[in-house]
Amino acid sequence: NFMLTQPHSVSESPGKTVIISCTRSSGSIADNYVQWYQQRPGSSPTPVIYDDDRRPSGVPGRFSGSIDTSSNSASLIISGLKTDDEAEYYCQSFDQSPVFGGGTKLTVL
Amino acid sequence: QVQLQESGPGLVKPSQTLSLSCTVSGGSINSDGYYWSWIRQLPGKGLEWIGYIYHYGSTYYNPSLESRVALSLDTSKKQFSLKLSSVTAADSGIYYCAREVHLTTWFDFWGRGTLVTVSP
Repeated sequence: NFMLTQPHSVSESPGKTVIISCTRSSGSIADNYVQWYQQRPGSSPTPVIYDDDRRPSGVPGRFSGSIDTSSNSASLIISGLKTDDEAEYYCQSFDQSPVFGGGTKLTVL
Repeated sequence: QVQLQESGPGLVKPSQTLSLSCTVSGGSINSDGYYWSWIRQLPGKGLEWIGYIYHYGSTYYNPSLESRVALSLDTSKKQFSLKLSSVTAADSGIYYCAREVHLTTWFDFWGRGTLVTVSP
């Protein structure tokens, strides 16, 4: 199985845009869809992006996803940051079984 | 809206078997196109997929846990269950059940999670 590597933490100010990366260690990022989950403290993860760039119903348009084959990575882009976006974010893909990234703590300050 | 709810003991002794159940409501456990999964989150660590079961009964497990894991399904109770044998303190953490969308392998609905502690 490949690994998905995320930065441990990112921080940005309210109203700004933040990009969280997820780099695949082997194979192409385009080989399998990438998903993103938001986990607030004390809560279970909830999906914010699936199939690389699709938003589940109810997720605001401020959340978007993309993949970049040149860097072999996926990105979660959150625009118009709100303090409520402060959470841990996990990317997830699939090889022979589901694989999760280590998570990125987003601080909105 | 599909809802999942984990249940089971919060304390398990070392070397014993961890047993959890997940009850599904708001949707059919017999639906084609979905796998029923268990995922855990160990303290200070990320998410680890444990395995899934399909409503026909077929299973697939994380190779790192395969020798200790068994999933089962009771469609009449709308429940699926996890057994993890020979537990140690390293198995302590939060256990989630989740619905996995088959073809694109994403987890669209999650339970709230249940904390399991392995301790004498």
